[in-house]
Amino acid sequence: EAQVTQNPRYLITVTGKKLTVTCSQNMNHEYMSWYRQDPGLGLRQIYYSMNVEVTDKGDVPEGYKVSRKEKRNFPLILESPSPNQTSLYFCASSLGLAGPVDEQYFGPGTRLTVT
Amino acid sequence: AQSVTQPDIHITVSEGASLELRCNYSYGATPYLFWYVQSPGQGLQLLLKYFSGDTLVQGIKGFEAEFKRSQSSFNLRKPSVHWSDAAEYFCAVGAGTNAGKSTFGDGTTLTVKP
Repeated sequence: EAQVTQNPRYLITVTGKKLTVTCSQNMNHEYMSWYRQDPGLGLRQIYYSMNVEVTDKGDVPEGYKVSRKEKRNFPLILESPSPNQTSLYFCASSLGLAGPVDEQYFGPGTRLTVT
Repeated sequence: AQSVTQPDIHITVSEGASLELRCNYSYGATPYLFWYVQSPGQGLQLLLKYFSGDTLVQGIKGFEAEFKRSQSSFNLRKPSVHWSDAAEYFCAVGAGTNAGKSTFGDGTTLTVKP
């Protein structure tokens, strides 16, 4: 089944403890992206990747890192999480030789709480 | 910079009534426009998209949207709402010249009354 998977689905952590949220897609998509969703703010793009080893900042990249060493994986790294990073995170991918002009396929989301 | 505005935060309609969700965009060139739906506790699913051509596009679940360049709008419609349509709806614009950037509206929550 074609899908985007994220792990973990739920995570409660403490301020400053490094964490990684994994994202993997099995559709051989070029483009991948991370979003955070907060009430009343819609989805805001954190980082995106047009291809392996190519990443760029979205609208809210502060406090996050990403890497794209393989086409299928696009982990989101929080080196020193803070409470304002408590949010619902979505990974997405698209066929995207032209970037996100193609429709994006979303993962199920990761709910992160930082205390 | 590109932007998307969904003026209605929350809309309530009766089951069987018609629905229109508004979306206005700001973009320098021909936009690539999308509507996504998010059911409670779920990820986002594409309803429909507009790239070019016919300005009235059909999507899944009986939804349609009309692109109006003169009004910078891409409103979503459905002639008869079902209780299962209760969800949050997001309008989005995909980049062209800013290839890679994707901008979503703040979303409209739809409640369906029996």
